[in-house]
Amino acid sequence: QVQLVQSGAEVKKPGSSVKVSCQASGGPFNRYAISWVRQAPGQGLEWMGGIIPMFGTANYAQKFQGRLTITTDESSRTAYMELSSLTSDDTAVYYCARSSESFGGSGYYDGGYWGQGTLVTVSS
Amino acid sequence: EIVLTQSPGTLSLSPGERATLSCRASQSVSRNYLAWYQQRPGQAPRLLISGASTRATGIPDRFTGSGSGTDFTLTINRLEPEDFAVYFCQQYGESPFTFGPGTKVDVK
Repeated sequence: QVQLVQSGAEVKKPGSSVKVSCQASGGPFNRYAISWVRQAPGQGLEWMGGIIPMFGTANYAQKFQGRLTITTDESSRTAYMELSSLTSDDTAVYYCARSSESFGGSGYYDGGYWGQGTLVTVSS
Repeated sequence: EIVLTQSPGTLSLSPGERATLSCRASQSVSRNYLAWYQQRPGQAPRLLISGASTRATGIPDRFTGSGSGTDFTLTINRLEPEDFAVYFCQQYGESPFTFGPGTKVDVK
């Protein structure tokens, strides 16, 4: 049974950074993609970036290039998303999602399993 | 980047009816790497369909994905009360792995 558990809600000041964690249990860790997706209040889903731990190099949406860092720690089976230079537009629920299949499968970068979400509020 | 357009924006139906949701891509989706998700209020999205037509584990067979290239469809046969939700498509064939804006299925 795959389960993703994310860190708790955060309140941040404009211009600061936030780091959200996502710990995976069940199943192998390093061959499955972890994506980060956010959802602003009342809005749709936005893919921010992702990583396949065994390759180590993250893949970012251009919109977040330069202020988004996605990393993993295989020893603790944890993925991290750090977003810097926060503005009020970054207020959202941030989700991590693990793919349903490992690299090479047709579901290699889908969102097969999701964390519970982490609310990040940016306010002065 | 690939832009996904979903239609209709809202679909008003009664339990037991069939829902047909459309997802159109601005360019061909590589290897038909197209997923469908259901999201209920206050919950994380749930994967329904991957690879355009493969049901995810535990998804009832009333959910069917079809299509290829730029045009994809999610069909929900015999709507159950728990199926009234928002549905998103996502392409993961070319980065960035974009989502459509969603279709809300609500009770008529």
